[in-house]
Amino acid sequence: DAGVTQSPTHLIKTRGQQVTLRCSPKSGHDTVSWYQQALGQGPQFIFQYYEEEERQRGNFPDRFSGHQFPNYSSELNVNALLLGDSALYLCASSYPRLAGLQETQYFGPGTRLLVL
Amino acid sequence: GIQVEQSPPDLILQEGANSTLRCNFSDSVNNLQWFHQNPWGQLINLFYIPSGTKQNGRLSATTVATERYSLLYISSSQTTDSGVYFCAAEYSGGGADGLTFGKGTHLIIQP
Repeated sequence: DAGVTQSPTHLIKTRGQQVTLRCSPKSGHDTVSWYQQALGQGPQFIFQYYEEEERQRGNFPDRFSGHQFPNYSSELNVNALLLGDSALYLCASSYPRLAGLQETQYFGPGTRLLVL
Repeated sequence: GIQVEQSPPDLILQEGANSTLRCNFSDSVNNLQWFHQNPWGQLINLFYIPSGTKQNGRLSATTVATERYSLLYISSSQTTDSGVYFCAAEYSGGGADGLTFGKGTHLIIQP
């Protein structure tokens, strides 16, 4: 049973560039959430996708956008990168709340983004 | 949004000792999870425990939802237990916050 996978594992970009991170959910899950974890901090919620739509969004600017595909995989896009976007980006998958199933979120290994 | 506070922020113990990590949250929750983050950044699920008590080997957790706190117990600590432990909660009243994480407890188990 494959867990949550993310790619790439590491990425180096320069200020102003754009980046796309990818996530495949755990088998059987169709809800994907993205989190940003700065060094020494807890993860912060960016947004959640279900049925190919953004269902929830945290306090992040519009430079952060996402997409979910019919196979439930997801992308996180960040435009006009800032130095402060350097962080570990984590993807989590779960069952949708409406399914009445346990809402445990399972996390992938993350993508480390460094903006120079 | 919901506030999540963890204590203590740092904990250093000798191998074999027991420890208790605390998580306080500011509102009613429909999801509360404990994670262990390893040195490579992987968040490992320990417990899904919005209420009640669960045990898994040397680890156990208790959430008292009416008093808005959760406790993680680690018994007979091993050096491999070292790392950062996070508590995360989701407000049951809806909204757009997903899981809100505490700042974590950094646990060091010395041989």
